[in-house]
Amino acid sequence: DGGITQSPKYLFRKEGQNVTLSCEQNLNHDAMYWYRQDPGQGLRLIYYSQIVNDFQKGDIAEGYSVSREKKESFPLTVTSAQKNPTAFYLCASTPLRRPGDYGYTFGSGTRLTVV
Amino acid sequence: AQSVAQPEDQVNVAEGNPLTVKCTYSVSGNPYLFWYVQYPNRGLQFLLKYITGDNLVKGSYGFEAEFNKSQTSFHLKKPSALVSDSALYFCAVRALNSGNTPLVFGKGTRLSVIA
Repeated sequence: DGGITQSPKYLFRKEGQNVTLSCEQNLNHDAMYWYRQDPGQGLRLIYYSQIVNDFQKGDIAEGYSVSREKKESFPLTVTSAQKNPTAFYLCASTPLRRPGDYGYTFGSGTRLTVV
Repeated sequence: AQSVAQPEDQVNVAEGNPLTVKCTYSVSGNPYLFWYVQYPNRGLQFLLKYITGDNLVKGSYGFEAEFNKSQTSFHLKKPSALVSDSALYFCAVRALNSGNTPLVFGKGTRLSVIA
């Protein structure tokens, strides 16, 4: 079945450590997105990419980095510069052709906790 | 700039009663509008969308939404609520002619259906 796979489901990070969240899709979607979800704050856009080897910052990109070396993959690295990384992270994708018609397909999320 | 407001953090309704979850938006020009639902520790699932045409949009699980251009609203409704409808609901918007700009999400409304 086509879809988006996020891994791991749960991730624990020590202070000062970088961690990478995986997002893979087999939907042949062009655009991919990373959102951060905190209670009461909804979804906030971290980064997005519309084509391979290109990406744009969202509203809260500081302390995060991404890469888009393959169409199917859009990993997110949470760096030590992100001072409050504990959150639920969601990856999404959409085809660019008539994107409004399709909306987004979401992964199941990764819950990151600083220990 | 695009924005979405969900004025209620929490909506409580008795099973079998009608439910409404409110959403207002702000975009330049005509909007694409979406409703998504999220169950605990899961990604967002698409419920319904409005692009053009009939102002009353029908979606999954018996939900519908009414687009009101003069009030810039897109309220989610269901004639008879089920306990299984209890979840977090998100409204999202982007402008019709905004190219491929990402969706903007509201902060979410938690729906609790009481048996």
